[in-house]
Amino acid sequence: QQQVKQSPQSLIVQKGGIPIINCAYENTAFDYFPWYQQFPGKGPALLIAIRPDVSEKKEGRFTISFNKSAKQFSLHIMDSQPGDSATYFCAASGGIGANNLFFGTGTRLTVIP
Amino acid sequence: SAVISQKPSRDICQRGTSLTIQCQVDSQVTMMFWYRQQPGQSLTLIATANQGSEATYESGFVIDKFPISRPNLTFSTLTVSNMSPEDSSIYLCSVRQGSRSNEKLFFGSGTQLSVL
Repeated sequence: QQQVKQSPQSLIVQKGGIPIINCAYENTAFDYFPWYQQFPGKGPALLIAIRPDVSEKKEGRFTISFNKSAKQFSLHIMDSQPGDSATYFCAASGGIGANNLFFGTGTRLTVIP
Repeated sequence: SAVISQKPSRDICQRGTSLTIQCQVDSQVTMMFWYRQQPGQSLTLIATANQGSEATYESGFVIDKFPISRPNLTFSTLTVSNMSPEDSSIYLCSVRQGSRSNEKLFFGSGTQLSVL
């Protein structure tokens, strides 16, 4: 069973557009929600993360929106650039003794010049 | 952030053989994690490796298939044993740094394994 559901599977936007990637979870014990960016041939790199005590977090052009009641969170990329073309994974972890980070299925983003 | 080096970066192996993947971190860490990323899919945790104790395996993964060593606080190995084509994946080493309120998980570049 997929602990974190991610959509869409792929996304194509024009340069300057604002792609939005959505994730949903069921486990209310989750309390840490990171986003990772992965380029081909590379390991995932932490992009930005949020905890459920805030509803939004911004770092540069990347923003996480978090809706605790709906158990959903999303990544927005402002003024997207061709260099943002990559696969993005949301993830979640939490609970007593939690070591496991549960990943979404990934979104392949293509930003067209 | 932690710098994680993985070797080899890629390999092509024959069915029935074994491959050992090495992971070196530039700082001492308590726990190291091994993930698998099957082609076009997400990441799945294989096991957590603590220095000085047996690795803890996730459901669906067993020590006989994926033996892990953790001889010190900066190094770990994962062996993929008796390989079959279904083991073709990217294997990733990762470490966690920071406090509970600000922890971050860092990944190595991965080992792309193809089994013929």
